[in-house]
Amino acid sequence: EDQVTQSPEALRLQEGESSSLNCSYTVSGLRGLFWYRQDPGKGPEFLFTLYSAGEEKEKERLKATLTKKESFLHITAPKPEDSATYLCAVQNQGGSEKLVFGKGTKLTVNP
Amino acid sequence: DAGVIQSPRHEVTEMGQEVTLRCKPISGHNSLFWYRQTMMRGLELLIYFNNNVPIDDSGMPEDRFSAKMPNASFSTLKIQPSEPRDSAVYFCASSRQGRTDTQYFGPGTRLTVL
Repeated sequence: EDQVTQSPEALRLQEGESSSLNCSYTVSGLRGLFWYRQDPGKGPEFLFTLYSAGEEKEKERLKATLTKKESFLHITAPKPEDSATYLCAVQNQGGSEKLVFGKGTKLTVNP
Repeated sequence: DAGVIQSPRHEVTEMGQEVTLRCKPISGHNSLFWYRQTMMRGLELLIYFNNNVPIDDSGMPEDRFSAKMPNASFSTLKIQPSEPRDSAVYFCASSRQGRTDTQYFGPGTRLTVL
């Protein structure tokens, strides 16, 4: 069974204080790993897809990286508007479009 | 583009009542997904459709839940009878078939069963 574990559950940072969120996964064959951002009262918003170990993608202050067992979402010099819950999900090579999500990391950036 | 549209946004009902949640996917998308999100279990896929056909319903918790997609622009998720443990936020998402990285989520329906 495919599984995704995210840590920490919650993270509080000061504005400008860089950090990383972790996503550990177990999947029989990885087709893709996905990062989403979810604001309170809204649906998840797509950020990145990573397909193979060593791949990296960046968007503004966010950079996602992937190894064979985990992915990191690095946040450089965060701002209060980066506060949100960040969700990680995996898709199996088996052909299904199903995404298996972790429970997320709730990030709070204080001014 | 209007995005994925869900209705109602909030639903409060009593145990035993029938609940129907509605979703309009983005025009041109031919895959549609129903998810449920709770604090305990996170975001879970209930069922998904390709070209209006159910492909994977392994996440549907029990026979009280049913989903239909009568045409490319409309889907429903029905719970009958509802129970307090069904209280959650239900999301609909859509994508072009095979392009899961562009899965767009609706705003969700917050269901409370008393």
